[in-house]
Amino acid sequence: KAGVTQTPRYLIKTRGQQVTLSCSPISGHRSVSWYQQTPGQGLQFLFEYFSETQRNKGNFPGRFSGRQFSNSRSEMNVSTLELGDSALYLCASSPAGTGSYNEQFFGPGTRLTVL
Amino acid sequence: AQKITQTQPGMFVQEKEAVTLDCTYDTSDPSYGLFWYKQPSSGEMIFLIYQGSYDQQNATEGRYSLNFQKARKSANLVISASQLGDSAMYFCAMRDGGFQKLVFGTGTRLLVSP
Repeated sequence: KAGVTQTPRYLIKTRGQQVTLSCSPISGHRSVSWYQQTPGQGLQFLFEYFSETQRNKGNFPGRFSGRQFSNSRSEMNVSTLELGDSALYLCASSPAGTGSYNEQFFGPGTRLTVL
Repeated sequence: AQKITQTQPGMFVQEKEAVTLDCTYDTSDPSYGLFWYKQPSSGEMIFLIYQGSYDQQNATEGRYSLNFQKARKSANLVISASQLGDSAMYFCAMRDGGFQKLVFGTGTRLLVSP
């Protein structure tokens, strides 16, 4: 079974631009969560999508948004990029609902650099 | 609020020795799950082991075991017979309630020497 895939793996943008990152979960998984990892703040939860609905959201500004498609693939968008948005963005995939407590698998991440 | 504390920024161990990575947690929810992940320099988070709050026995997965002490709110990872490939960052994380959101600790960098 293929793992979680994220595209692109690396991205360089300039301040003020916007960016879209993509995540394809493991086949059959319906929950996708996004995390931001920076040296200063560590790993922080951005949001979770389940069945095309945002179910949970972290403490990030509205510039960070996401969506999930009917095939469970998810995208996250960051508008008006700031230098502080430079980070590794990780996507995690879970099977379904709240019953799959022990399964959260991560993709390889997208490393975003904002110049 | 949930909190995960990893007090060891770095650990050193020799190949073939065992090592314990500490993790304490805080939550008011009786139902929660504890995860350990390994993050090599490539950045990918690799799932190692899971312990549910109602699990009666400590979790084990190959060379990894989780020393779960519920009353002390600790969930230490034990790696037996360390290998050079175990050198990486290790994160303890917690999910509580019915949600998929994970709260992570600050991580421990493990270095395995020959």
